[in-house]
Amino acid sequence: DTAVSQTPKYLVTQMGNDKSIKCEQNLGHDTMYWYKQDSKKFLKIMFSYNNKELIINETVPNRFSPKSPDKAHLNLHINSLELGDSAVYFCASSQDPQGAGYEQYFGPGTRLTVT
Amino acid sequence: QQQVKQSPQSLIVQKGGISIINCAYENTAFDYFPWYQQFPGKGPALLIAIRPDVSEKKEGRFTISFNKSAKQFSLHIMDSQPGDSATYFCAASSKTGGFKTIFGAGTRLFVKA
Repeated sequence: DTAVSQTPKYLVTQMGNDKSIKCEQNLGHDTMYWYKQDSKKFLKIMFSYNNKELIINETVPNRFSPKSPDKAHLNLHINSLELGDSAVYFCASSQDPQGAGYEQYFGPGTRLTVT
Repeated sequence: QQQVKQSPQSLIVQKGGISIINCAYENTAFDYFPWYQQFPGKGPALLIAIRPDVSEKKEGRFTISFNKSAKQFSLHIMDSQPGDSATYFCAASSKTGGFKTIFGAGTRLFVKA
């Protein structure tokens, strides 16, 4: 009964490859997010979807493409991986911001290592 | 204007002591100020949050103090325990900002037994 789950937990790949990270939430939330946490622990939002609609798209390379097949899932696809993409990627979800007040529930993270 | 500045970067406190972490923001449109706790290998988890219409919120050993005029808020951990050792993030968000949450840089707290 995990609230926000991500797969895989670890991902090691070579430069130039394409990879995907999957996220699912069973909380019934309307909004989902992707965050990147770098080696210094700095957390930065990348994307946010509300009811399958993109609402936040930060300045990230267009090699990163989120996809939300339904409001319980938000996947992240990364093309042509680069060394600088190595980080921990967190998925999160929250109730509609107009409602419960922005509390976000984070997944366990996916540690991506690009060699 | 979108930054949230957090200090200190790291903090060592004796067991039973008070841990204090400070944050400052610039954007007066922020209307929700949460604190998240992150243990190694885990995702951040909401610890406590406050809205700018109150100056203090307490939950157990954790208290947020909020100073709207100074645009500052802080987390106080009373009777700090070794199990509190983690990274703490302050954050701020607003509806007008597209519900984007801006996180501080984090504070690594170590509580010595």
